[in-house]
Formats: sequence, C-alpha cells, structure tokens
Amino acid sequence: DTGVSQDPRHKITKRGQNVTFRCDPISEHNRLYWYRQTLGQGPEFLTYFQNEAQLEKSRLLSDRFSAERPKGSFSTLEIQRTEQGDSAMYLCASSGAGTVYFGYTFGSGTRLTVV
Amino acid sequence: EDKVVQSPLSLVVHEGDTVTLNCSYEVTNFRSLLWYKQEKKAPTFLFMLTSSGIEKKSGRLSSILDKKELSSILNITATQTGDSAIYLCAPFGNEKLTFGTGTRLTIIP
Repeated sequence: DTGVSQDPRHKITKRGQNVTFRCDPISEHNRLYWYRQTLGQGPEFLTYFQNEAQLEKSRLLSDRFSAERPKGSFSTLEIQRTEQGDSAMYLCASSGAGTVYFGYTFGSGTRLTVV
Repeated sequence: EDKVVQSPLSLVVHEGDTVTLNCSYEVTNFRSLLWYKQEKKAPTFLFMLTSSGIEKKSGRLSSILDKKELSSILNITATQTGDSAIYLCAPFGNEKLTFGTGTRLTIIP
C-alpha cells in the first residue's frame, strides 16, 4: 500500500476514557502531520514531526493530547480524559523532504465520537 | 497568527453553471498555496500555486494566485453534480498548511 493509513477509522468512547490513534505514513516520507477537523471547519493543525523529532505543537493541543513518532516511522496521537468537545475527525498527513511544498498526502482519518 | 478566509461559505448552483471560489490569506513565510477538494473523507489535492499570475488548469478546474493581493481563486466551468464538495484553500508557510473553513459547493441537477 502506497498511501497514508490511519487506524481505527471510527472510534466511539465514553467521556473520560483515553484513546490512541495510529498513523502509518508513506514509507519514504520523513514529515508527518496531525490535524483535527470539526464539523463545518477546515482541518486545524495540531502538530508535526520531522523524522522522530516533534517540531511544532499547536496551542490547540492541550495537556491531554500527546503525539509520538518513536522511530520516525508510524505515529500515535493520544487523547487522555476525553471530553465531548474532542469529537472530531483526526487527520494524518505525510510529505517527503523533497516535496514539502507540494503538499501532503492525507490518510482517510479517524472519526472520534465522545459520548 | 496565520489566517485564511474563504468566500462564499456556501454556494448552490445549477449543473452547467460556472463558479468562482475565493481565498485570501495572511501567512508568515508563505511558500505556496494549495487547493483541495473534500467530499466525505480526507481532502484530495487539486492544485499547488507558487507564482503570481500563472493559471493552473485541470480539465474544467483552474486556479490562479495573486501574491500582491494575498489571494487566490478557483474556477469551475460547466459544473457537474460530481463537483459537489467542500473546497479548501491552504497556504503553505512555516512548514505547514493552514486551512480555511472551506466553500461548500452544491450542484443541483
């Protein structure tokens, strides 16, 4: 598979529970980005990695959010003590160093519903 | 803070009409501007624009960037029902894309 994979596709969780999402980028891409998209809005930047280094975090990312990319390959996004306001589509994208301006390749997203 | 404004927010037209979608931006360290189409899933890439005044075309879609006015337009001619989607504008600056809210385009058969 040559695309960006995200898992799971859908997640329903109870308020207060922790959730973790996974993103597998295109293998030769060294940059990986996380975005959150709520209904009626465009994707909002959360954070990005170059290889295993997390280079920027948005202020949208509260202390309850954390992201890792331990070996510079796949990445995880964890939300602790979920709140109803966390319900959204979480999108992952990757790009290569030589194509950083070309734009990202997006995964299909993980839709989170907090009940 | 980086800012992207798209207009109109919503547009309903009949099949065959031509539409123009607008995007204005304020982004630090601007490098390029991208347009995406989003249906029910993740955004799909349409165009990347880096130079002012050079139109990019793909079939019935075309787009142009005005770096002096910090704006871009996306034109769709002879619209079809399959063009119904949200169109997102995203300037690339500070090593990331910043998205607008999008224009929701609905094509009536």
